[in-house]
Amino acid sequence: DIVMTQSPDSLAVSLGERATINCKSSQNIFYSPNNKNYLSWYQQKPGQPPKLLIYWASTRESGVPDRFSGSGSGTDFALTISSLQAEDVAVYYCQQYYFTPLTFGGGTKVEIK
Amino acid sequence: EVQLVESGGGSVQPGGSLRLSCAASGFTLSNYAMSWVRQAPGKGLEWVSAVSRSGSYTYYVDSVKGRFTISRDSSKNTLFLQMNSLGAEDTAVYYCAKPFWSYDTSTYYQGCFDYWGQGTLVTVSS
Repeated sequence: DIVMTQSPDSLAVSLGERATINCKSSQNIFYSPNNKNYLSWYQQKPGQPPKLLIYWASTRESGVPDRFSGSGSGTDFALTISSLQAEDVAVYYCQQYYFTPLTFGGGTKVEIK
Repeated sequence: EVQLVESGGGSVQPGGSLRLSCAASGFTLSNYAMSWVRQAPGKGLEWVSAVSRSGSYTYYVDSVKGRFTISRDSSKNTLFLQMNSLGAEDTAVYYCAKPFWSYDTSTYYQGCFDYWGQGTLVTVSS
């Protein structure tokens, strides 16, 4: 199975500052025929289901603020929150959807410093 | 508006069974390769199972193969997860999830999820 490793486990950032979460896949999840990375990012707040933020590694879901951005290719990816807001406090997960079984990273908890 | 509403969770003894349901509205469930994803208390997300768009194929994480069965009833626009031989390791909130994109064959499933239900809690304990 593909292992998705997120770092750090938790992150405390001041309001308005940048937060970056890393995600590493144990295998390449880039498919060259369609030039796509099969990587998504989700945000989960306490007591709520996950919410899709980013898919194809860098495409923002409709309605997601543009302070959220995704980058990377192959095996190394990142989610960046350019200016942290109070409502961004949550746990963030990456997911690969190239291989079966689909697998998620262990999550990164983002808090306000 | 797309909605997914899970039900059927509860407390069960080890070795017992439960059947989860996910009622969909706002879209035709049989047009999508739906999945179940679970989350143990205080833990991360784990994809459990999916059914192909055609309904011909099903997919499972190894830890539930032979114990869980995914199915759907198109007439009721409802997804199911039959869970047998439950163990403590199956204790989790179970979410059904709709893919915004998926691709499936007889041997593999790819999917990324844009809608999730609120989840139903399954507790396996003696």
